[in-house]
Amino acid sequence: VVLTQSPGTLSLSPGDRATLSCRASQDVTSSFLAWYQQKPGQSPRLLIYGVSSRATGIPDRFSGSGSGTDFTLTIDSLEPEDFAVYYCQQFASSPGTFGQGTKVEI
Amino acid sequence: EVQLLESGGRLVQPGESLRLSCAASGFTFSSYAMSWVRQAPGGRLEWVSVMSPNGVDTYYAGAVRGRFSVSRDIPKKTLFLQMNTLTLEDTAIYFCAKGVVRGALRAPFDFWGQGTVVTVSS
Repeated sequence: VVLTQSPGTLSLSPGDRATLSCRASQDVTSSFLAWYQQKPGQSPRLLIYGVSSRATGIPDRFSGSGSGTDFTLTIDSLEPEDFAVYYCQQFASSPGTFGQGTKVEI
Repeated sequence: EVQLLESGGRLVQPGESLRLSCAASGFTFSSYAMSWVRQAPGGRLEWVSVMSPNGVDTYYAGAVRGRFSVSRDIPKKTLFLQMNTLTLEDTAIYFCAKGVVRGALRAPFDFWGQGTVVTVSS
C-alpha cells in the first residue's frame, strides 16, 4: 500500500489550523492507520492511531479522521512546538508502510 | 520506564554484513511485536522488518527480503537485525520500535529507540 501525503510543506503561523492529508493506494482498514510527529534529531512520536485515537500524552488539539483511502490529521491552533514533520503509517499489512511526510513550518 | 537502545551501526563497504542490536527494558519483551524502521538521508521512513509477539512470524520489506533477518534473545531482552550483502541504498538511521498493543502483530509504535547509523560506502 503506497501512502501519499500532501502537501509536502505547509507554511503556517502559531494559532493557525493545520490540515494534513494522507491518501492510500488501496483501502486501509481504519483501525490500521496512524500518525507520527518527528522533530529534527529525534525519533518519531506516535500521535494518533486507529485513525482518531490519541496516544498517551497527546494534547486534544491533534485529531485524526478519514476512512477508506483518504485520511486527515488536523492540528487546531498550532503551538510553536508543533512545527515538525508529520508521517502517516498503515499497518494493515506486515510490514506496513509510511507516507513521505509533510513538513509544517513557520 | 520503557527504553530501547540500538547499537551496532558503523561504516561498512558494499557487500559486507552487519548485525544491529536493540536492548529493551521496562516492558514484557516477549509480549509485543518489535520492528526495525530505517530513515535514509532525506528523511523518508521505511518499515524494514517486524517480529510477532510470539516470535514465530517475521516479515520484511521487499527491498531487504532475503538479505536481512530479524531475531531476538528473550532472556537478554534484545532484538537483532542481521544485514547481509549491504548496498549503498541501505545507508540510513536504523530504529527499533515497540508495538503499542500487547499481543498484536499489527500495531503502531509507541516507543522508539534513538537509532543507530549505518553507512554503506566504498
